[in-house]
Amino acid sequence: DGGITQSPKYLFRKEGQNVTLSCEQNLNHDAMYWYRQDPGQGLRLIYYSQIVNDFQKGDIAEGYSVSREKKESFPLTVTSAQKNPTAFYLCASSVRQSTDTQYFGPGTRLTVL
Amino acid sequence: GDSVTQMEGPVTLSEEAFLTINCTYTATGYPSLFWYVQYPGEGLQLLLKATKADDKGSNKGFEATYRKETTSFHLEKGSVQVSDSAVYFCALSVPTGTASKLTFGTGTRLQVTL
Repeated sequence: DGGITQSPKYLFRKEGQNVTLSCEQNLNHDAMYWYRQDPGQGLRLIYYSQIVNDFQKGDIAEGYSVSREKKESFPLTVTSAQKNPTAFYLCASSVRQSTDTQYFGPGTRLTVL
Repeated sequence: GDSVTQMEGPVTLSEEAFLTINCTYTATGYPSLFWYVQYPGEGLQLLLKATKADDKGSNKGFEATYRKETTSFHLEKGSVQVSDSAVYFCALSVPTGTASKLTFGTGTRLQVTL
């Protein structure tokens, strides 16, 4: 079955530690995205990538980093510089066309203790 | 900048009641409009979309019509079920080169009771 997988579903880290969230897709989509969701709020774009080895900052990129070495994978690192990292993180992908539908993974809930 | 405004929730309805969730938008250019649904603890699923004025998106009994004159994309369903309980997000996408960047509303929680 085609889709997007994110792992793990729940992640706990101590303050000051970097943590990497996994996102893999087998939909053959060129574009991938990372969003952050906080309680009672909409989704906010962290980073997006239109093609392998290329990515752009979204609206709230500070304290995050990404890489896109393979078409299928777009990992997100939450660094110690991110002031409020506890949130629900969602990965998405789309065919490489503007206004195309984005398909979402199941999300990873990160809690920093 | 681009923005989406949704009615605040929660919206509480009895099963088989009529549902309307209001959504209005502000955008430069000609956006595509989407409704996504999120069940507890899960990611977002596309519910329906419309890409140009007067288009009607529909899926699973839900409908929404792209109204350019009122900049609205209200979600409706004639008879809700308990299984429709979820958070509904309205979103827009405006062409920005070769990637689609979604702008989301804050979401509306729907609770359906027996």
